[in-house]
Amino acid sequence: TQLLEQSPQFLSIQEGENLTVYCNSSSVFSSLQWYRQEPGEGPVLLVTVVTGGEVKKLKRLTFQFGDARKDSSLHITAAQPGDTGLYLCAGIPADRGSTLGRLYFGRGTQLTVWP
Amino acid sequence: KAGVTQTPRYLIKTRGQQVTLSCSPISGHRSVSWYQQTPGQGLQFLFEYFSETQRNKGNFPGRFSGRQFSNSRSEMNVSTLELGDSALYLCASSLGDVRNEQFFGPGTRLTVL
Repeated sequence: TQLLEQSPQFLSIQEGENLTVYCNSSSVFSSLQWYRQEPGEGPVLLVTVVTGGEVKKLKRLTFQFGDARKDSSLHITAAQPGDTGLYLCAGIPADRGSTLGRLYFGRGTQLTVWP
Repeated sequence: KAGVTQTPRYLIKTRGQQVTLSCSPISGHRSVSWYQQTPGQGLQFLFEYFSETQRNKGNFPGRFSGRQFSNSRSEMNVSTLELGDSALYLCASSLGDVRNEQFFGPGTRLTVL
């Protein structure tokens, strides 16, 4: 079983629409990160959230860390074709200090934005 | 600052052969992690090296091994290749601190025939 569950698995929308991607767990995380991966490339770090309830904005992308630090969401406003990619959440469980250095990844949300 | 580099970018091997992949991390990064990515399984953690020591290991068979050199460069080796080993192998470097923000290379696309 995955420590981090992402939903939806696939998302296909028109340019200009808004969308939200979710990353959930039953475990508490010290921090959560979001990455975007484009075809043929490695994932690129978008943001790290560390405090429960924290909200970070990156242009049209808004990231939120749940109050209990068990979940996170990524909201995109007015999506553009350039937002197309695989969005991955990843984190460090708070109770796994012995595995410092290991990130746990969700399976990702494949987003396609059509012009 | 140069990014993470991986060589080779593409590789075709046959079953039973072995392969070595190389990763050069960002200067100053002491942690290197390796992942296998396939459409069905997503990003699977192989192992992580920090200062030449394997610090974490995923659930892969012993055919998968790695090492890290004193300059933080890392290699991973897969012996006795199987068809199911066909995948994108990604290397990521980080400072290895509590935030563990990872910077990925472009990956090596391995095809096993």
